[in-house]
Formats: sequence, structure tokens, C-alpha cells
Amino acid sequence: NAGVTQTPKFQVLKTGQSMTLQCAQDMNHNSMYWYRQDPGMGLRLIYYSASEGTTDKGEVPNGYNVSRLNKREFSLRLESAAPSQTSVYFCASRGPGGYYEQYFGPGTRLTVT
Amino acid sequence: GQQLNQSPQSMFIQEGEDVSMNCTSSSIFNTWLWYKQDPGEGPVLLIALYKAGELTSNGRLTAQFGITRKDSFLNISASIPSDVGIYFCAGPSTSGTYKYIFGTGTRLKVLA
Repeated sequence: NAGVTQTPKFQVLKTGQSMTLQCAQDMNHNSMYWYRQDPGMGLRLIYYSASEGTTDKGEVPNGYNVSRLNKREFSLRLESAAPSQTSVYFCASRGPGGYYEQYFGPGTRLTVT
Repeated sequence: GQQLNQSPQSMFIQEGEDVSMNCTSSSIFNTWLWYKQDPGEGPVLLIALYKAGELTSNGRLTAQFGITRKDSFLNISASIPSDVGIYFCAGPSTSGTYKYIFGTGTRLKVLA
């Protein structure tokens, strides 16, 4: 049981390049999330998906797009990377119903030069 | 909006000592989650609390859901060097969405 997995673990992009961060969970959770974590800023929500087929913006969605490919997978895409998107990105998933436990992946460390 | 404040912000302790930290809010939370994050890793869920007054343990960790629903406490007994990391609380927003509020974190450093 792997929980939440993310790929890649590290990535360096040049300004203007695009890339997709992958996330998958094997806990049969309905809800999935993408956060970014910057020094001194804590975790900030980029997008979330309450259930398969739905996505909603979080606090800092500009410059990102998401796809809930199926119940297991939720990807985050940067269409034209900017240095301000240098950060550590975490995917998370949440249990069903009244269980609010949220489980995080190991993170992707992204540097945009 | 809802906020979670943690104290202390950071602490140095000697190995073997007990540690206490807390998380407070001006608004009510119905669930409290405690996480630990090691450098370069994702947050790991330590304890989840669902009822006011609830006391739950996970090994050397004990967490309590405050009876006012506005605070929660985490205690670590007999600290060891691998307890080093950032501990933060979290709770689901009561605004009716799927969003979470995260605490500011307590950075723990253990001196061997």
C-alpha cells in the first residue's frame, strides 16, 4: 500500500517551459489536492478535486491547470513556468465521508530558472 | 477567515525530555489533525481527533481535542533525536468547502 505517490521528485525548468506533475493514490479516496509550500508561507492550496470529474480553484491557482484523470490520479500542469513557481509541490488525498484525515505525498521540488 | 496559531514557534529540548505544544483558534474546529514534517519530506499524519475532550495516543505522542473546540494540544514523551522536525496542526474549514486550515508550525530540535 503506497498511499500517495508523486513524480518526479525533483525538476529544473527554464522560464517558459511546460511540465506536468503526476500524483496517484491507492486508498480509494474521493478528494485530492495540490499544495505548494514556500519558506515562511506554509502550505497553500492551488487546486482541489472533491470527487472524480470535478475540480475547483484554491488560494493560488494562477499559472496552473489540473486534470482529475480518474479516481486515482490528479495531475498539475504548468503551461509556461515562471521563477515565482519555484517551490515544493505536495499532492494530498482525503478519506471518504466524515473522515477528514488528509494524507500527503512525498513532494516534488521544482526550480524554475 | 479561520486561522490556527501554534506555540511555541520553535523549541530546543534535551533528549529524554517531554515536549508540549498547542494550537489555538478564535473559531471552532470539528476535527483536529496533527502532522510532522521532516526536511525534504511530505507531512505525515500523526493523530486525528474528532470529539471535544478526546485524548488519543500514538506511541509516545498524545494529542487532545480541547473542550472549547478552539484548541488542541500535542505532547511527546521522552523525546529522541528523530523527533526533530516541524509539527503542525490542521483542521477542515467550516466554510462548507473541502479546504483545510494549517497551523504555523512548531519547529522541534532535540539536543542529544
